[in-house]
Formats: sequence, structure tokens, C-alpha cells
Amino acid sequence: GQSLEQPSEVTAVEGAIVQINCTYQTSGFYGLSWYQQHDGGAPTFLSYNALDGLEETGRFSSFLSRSDSYGYLLLQELQMKDSASYFCAVCNQAGTALIFGKGTTLSVSS
Amino acid sequence: DTAVSQTPKYLVTQMGNDKSIKCEQNLGHDTMYWYKQDSKKFLKIMFSYNNKELIINETVPNRFSPKSPDKAHLNLHINSLELGDSAVYFCASSQAGAANTGELFFGEGSRLTVL
Repeated sequence: GQSLEQPSEVTAVEGAIVQINCTYQTSGFYGLSWYQQHDGGAPTFLSYNALDGLEETGRFSSFLSRSDSYGYLLLQELQMKDSASYFCAVCNQAGTALIFGKGTTLSVSS
Repeated sequence: DTAVSQTPKYLVTQMGNDKSIKCEQNLGHDTMYWYKQDSKKFLKIMFSYNNKELIINETVPNRFSPKSPDKAHLNLHINSLELGDSAVYFCASSQAGAANTGELFFGEGSRLTVL
């Protein structure tokens, strides 16, 4: 089966940098996804890493190390609107659905 | 145009009732999903359909029955509702399965409250 571990909560101030870690166990690995979900909203896709290394998209970057079964989401120049839940996810063994971690609630204060 | 739309957005009903949630996607995707998000925000896969064929049926009570009349629609019918069914149900879609890009497109969710 699949399991993912990520911190339950992270707090930071505006303008800061925060890193949300994710470790996973899976019997077949395709890639690691990250999603953002604001309260009352839908999960929205942020990034996908299938290969080792850092992928940068604006203020957000995502990193993957397949040998360590580890990845992280890096959020820079934090803004209040970044306050949300962030989920890492991997595919199930058959590659037919995403299995999500329990989510990290990020609170950004001024 | 909303990419993945689901209705209704809110349902409040009594235990024992039957209810349905409808989902439609206009992205031309082959695969659609139902996820359940509980009060602790845990997102759990329930069902997955590819081109109208059921490919995932996780450990979900038989009271939950999905139906896909065509690849753009995936509905969820729930019989004999129980208190524990209270949750937000998300419909999602992806092109050719989640493994290719890790990207799912979610609807806005249907918040079900069972009293």
C-alpha cells in the first residue's frame, strides 16, 4: 500500500520562507504531487515531480529525492493568501488514483 | 466555464434517506473519481472510472453506488444515509489516469450533512 507523512501544522510570517516535508512509502512510485486547498475550497494542483531534483514555479518550488522517498514543497515570499492546507500525494500501485497525505495546515501571519 | 462541476453544493438530510450527487467535466478527460474528505481534511479515494468503466472501488459500503452514463459524467448515489456519511464529497478528473502527470482537476465539492 501507500502511506505519506507530512507535518500537521506550520506557522510563518509574511515574507518568510517555509518548507513542508513529505515522506512516503509506496510499492510502485510514479511521482510526487502537491496540492493546495483553501478552507471551503477545492484542492488545486501545484506541482508534480517524477524525477529527482527541484522544480520551480514562481514563488513555489518542489523537490524530490526518490532514493530517500522524500520530497518537500518550498514556499517563498509568503503572503497571507498562502494560508491553506497543503497535501502531498502519490499514485496507488496501479497508477489509477492519487493517495493523499493528511495535509499540512499553513498559517501565515502579518 | 467550470471545468469540473458538481451539484448540489450542499445537502442536509435525515438519517435513512437516499441522496445523489452529480458531477460533470468538460475537459475531455477519460478518468473521473470520487473522493471523500472528512472533518479532519483527510482525502480518501472512493471510486475511479475510466471511459465509463469502474477501475477502483475502495472499501466503501454497498450503500454507495457510482454511475457513469458517459465519460463526462460520474454520479454518486447514497442509500440509507448514516451520520458517518457526513463529509465533503469531491469529484475529480484526469487525462488517462493519475500516474501520467499527477494532476487531478477537482470540483468545488458537495458538503453532505446527515442529521
